[in-house]
Amino acid sequence: QKEVEQDPGPLSVPEGAIVSLNCTYSNSAFQYFMWYRQYSRKGPELLMYTYSSGNKEDGRFTAQVDKSSKYISLFIRDSQPSDSATYLCAMSYGNEKLTFGTGTRLTIIP
Amino acid sequence: EAQVTQNPRYLITVTGKKLTVTCSQNMNHEYMSWYRQDPGLGLRQIYYSMNVEVTDKGDVPEGYKVSRKEKRNFPLILESPSPNQTSLYFCASSLRDKPGEQFFGPGTRLTVL
Repeated sequence: QKEVEQDPGPLSVPEGAIVSLNCTYSNSAFQYFMWYRQYSRKGPELLMYTYSSGNKEDGRFTAQVDKSSKYISLFIRDSQPSDSATYLCAMSYGNEKLTFGTGTRLTIIP
Repeated sequence: EAQVTQNPRYLITVTGKKLTVTCSQNMNHEYMSWYRQDPGLGLRQIYYSMNVEVTDKGDVPEGYKVSRKEKRNFPLILESPSPNQTSLYFCASSLRDKPGEQFFGPGTRLTVL
């Protein structure tokens, strides 16, 4: 069993819809939870960064962490074609080593 | 502009021919790391460095070498490449006190024939 599980998709939704992306993990020692966005032929870029449980909002993006269920989510409101990318969840114990999910490929249909 | 650069961006080589992929960052970051990205396997860490002259193995270090002689540079060396090292490689860097905020380079697509 992988430490971090992420549905690879692909996921296609119409423009304006709310998108929900999720990851589950097995190691309760993870303390930091990140979402990275990767456009085709580009390196990943940090989108959201949270510590421990709770919610964090940044514009149209909301990250949720539920440590009791070992489950994290990223919500995208009012989705735009420019949101089409692969989204990678990542987790850390608190040092620099990140453990990544395999990524979910998202397409927003105009 | 703050950035991580990698060279070359694309490389086709043959089995056994030594190669080096360079990585440089201009953000004065202590931490640097190399990843490979493969379909269905995601990003896996090869080696990382906490600071100059300090390197350590990641999850998939076999067949790779690194060095950190200067803070800004972290080259990845394949002494004798094999076809199973065909992959997309990313270099990343971060401040030591912000472990999750890694900045990634644009990637190097390596094909070993």
